[in-house]
Amino acid sequence: GAGVSQTPSNKVTEKGKYVELRCDPISGHTALYWYRQSLGQGPEFLIYFQGTGAADDSGLPNDRFFAVRPEGSVSTLKIQRTERGDSAVYLCASSLTGRDGEKLFFGSGTQLSVL
Amino acid sequence: ELKVEQNPLFLSMQEGKNYTIYCNYSTTSDRLYWYRQDPGKSLESLFVLLSNGAVKQEGRLMASLDTKARLSTLHITAAVHDLSATYFCAGSNYQLIWGAGTKLIIKP
Repeated sequence: GAGVSQTPSNKVTEKGKYVELRCDPISGHTALYWYRQSLGQGPEFLIYFQGTGAADDSGLPNDRFFAVRPEGSVSTLKIQRTERGDSAVYLCASSLTGRDGEKLFFGSGTQLSVL
Repeated sequence: ELKVEQNPLFLSMQEGKNYTIYCNYSTTSDRLYWYRQDPGKSLESLFVLLSNGAVKQEGRLMASLDTKARLSTLHITAAVHDLSATYFCAGSNYQLIWGAGTKLIIKP
């Protein structure tokens, strides 16, 4: 597609529920990133995919968070047993190769609200 | 551990004025990035600064990098209302480490 697409744009869920957030990167981009952004703060790194594999998942806060990219394009971020503290905007970004210094292209984010 | 600090965090200015946003980082960062974010929108890449002394300009925005001082600046010349946004800098430590952002409001 023309840009990075994220769905849904908004997700409201109850504490303890499971949610999936989807990211469709720019076609041909091998690198895909998930970030989390809380109000008034900069993005916080979660996970980086190079192709189908998670090259760096050091930013995932705990084992309730998991992400996949089975075919090297679309990625899904999965959050189990959601907590109120998970409320944030979840941003996805892609870049052509993942090389340092490359521009990242961001999606519009998914606003997750856990009640 | 790389840490990135921006200042100011909030800036209100009149159209036509010049101002500078500062981005300090704590340890070596080979690259320095500037992004813009409009309310409710995604992040838009402005500049990638690759080496010491790098200067890049686009329109009324100019960014520079001094790796010895561990400082990058984003200078706004003759500000216009359309430049109102939140500006983020980010250093590179394998992954991007972001500052908290500078919310810039430019009043007509």
